[in-house]
Amino acid sequence: EPEVTQTPSHQVTQMGQEVILRCVPISNHLYFYWYRQILGQKVEFLVSFYNNEISEKSEIFDDQFSVERPDGSNFTLKIRSTKLEDSAMYFCASSQTSGEQFFGPGTRLTVL
Amino acid sequence: RKEVEQDPGPFNVPEGATVAFNCTYSNSASQSFFWYRQDCRKEPKLLMSVYSSGNEDGRFTAQLNRASQYISLLIRDSKLSDSATYLCVVSSYSSASKIIFGSGTRLSIRP
Repeated sequence: EPEVTQTPSHQVTQMGQEVILRCVPISNHLYFYWYRQILGQKVEFLVSFYNNEISEKSEIFDDQFSVERPDGSNFTLKIRSTKLEDSAMYFCASSQTSGEQFFGPGTRLTVL
Repeated sequence: RKEVEQDPGPFNVPEGATVAFNCTYSNSASQSFFWYRQDCRKEPKLLMSVYSSGNEDGRFTAQLNRASQYISLLIRDSKLSDSATYLCVVSSYSSASKIIFGSGTRLSIRP
């Protein structure tokens, strides 16, 4: 069964450093998303991406964040200058239409 | 009022029991509804979509009441493996592609 994959599974970084989280969505899916989940809290929407552009973003997704689909398979989330409060689990998801979304296993980001 | 509201639980029930979760959502223009389950420190996994006519998948039944802005999930003959957090998920009124998660209801099945 096709699945969303994410790398790395765990990323540790120093405050102020840039990080890039990578995702390979399911191959025939057209919509891509990033979510985050701070430990003990609910899953929060960050951004959706369709047709090579951002279709929607939340208040969390400020100028420190960017997304890119550099080739036909990868979908990346970049955080330019990490803050302590960026520590969270980051989930990538994809969907064929704007309906059911399938999630990757997540990247645990720890900012020291 | 929260956009998607769930009883956090925990629900602690014996194996074989029937358990029901409820969820309310605030925006009447919401378009799509789902139940996901999430195991500890894992990703949310789609359990089922929720349709206006209701739907059933094995031991799981989901219902939607648009008039009351209410979604339910019923689990019959619960198994130990059903222990997880159940997330009510609703599509944003502004975009069908943006989904909003409830905080989840924790279920623990005891032998």
